[in-house]
Amino acid sequence: GQNIDQPTEMTATEGAIVQINCTYQTSGFNGLFWYQQHAGEAPTFLSYNVLDGLEEKGRFSSFLSRSKGYSYLLLKELQMKDSASYLCAVVEGKLSFGAGTTVTVRA
Amino acid sequence: NAGVTQTPKFRILKIGQSMTLQCTQDMNHNYMYWYRQDPGMGLKLIYYSVGAGITDKGEVPNGYNVSRSTTEDFPLRLELAAPSQTSVYFCASSYEPQHFGDGTRLSIL
Repeated sequence: GQNIDQPTEMTATEGAIVQINCTYQTSGFNGLFWYQQHAGEAPTFLSYNVLDGLEEKGRFSSFLSRSKGYSYLLLKELQMKDSASYLCAVVEGKLSFGAGTTVTVRA
Repeated sequence: NAGVTQTPKFRILKIGQSMTLQCTQDMNHNYMYWYRQDPGMGLKLIYYSVGAGITDKGEVPNGYNVSRSTTEDFPLRLELAAPSQTSVYFCASSYEPQHFGDGTRLSIL
């Protein structure tokens, strides 16, 4: 099994940057996903990291350090529509999800 | 190409009733999953399947059953509904990344 930890909530201002951290403990790591989930909707895929380093995709970037069991999702130039829950999910055979971080973007 | 389709979208059950949540995908994916998500929580894996005829338990399988007779369909069965099974249920397919259905909101009263 896995222990996946994320902060419960974060608040930021429109146009700012927010970094969501995720730490995990696993015996057989095969990759890490970040998903976005708006209230009342299904999760949607944001990023996938399997090797150490930074993956950039427009305003969103994701970083992985396998030796530290650590990842972060960086959201730049925040927009109101980025208000959502962000789920970190670790692959160890099957996928295990963290509890999610609710990000609130304020004007 | 509809992706992953779940039915029904909403359902209210009485304690002790049974029902089947339907999930079908048209992407020819071998892997399929059932999750439940309680308010303010992450997704917990109930059952998964790596191909037709093969199913396995996830983190929270008690009170549920599944079958996988075809690649497309992966129904989830609740035999004796209990209030603790009130949740939002998501079906997903594939592996990297997973594609989710829109969810089934189930209340047991």
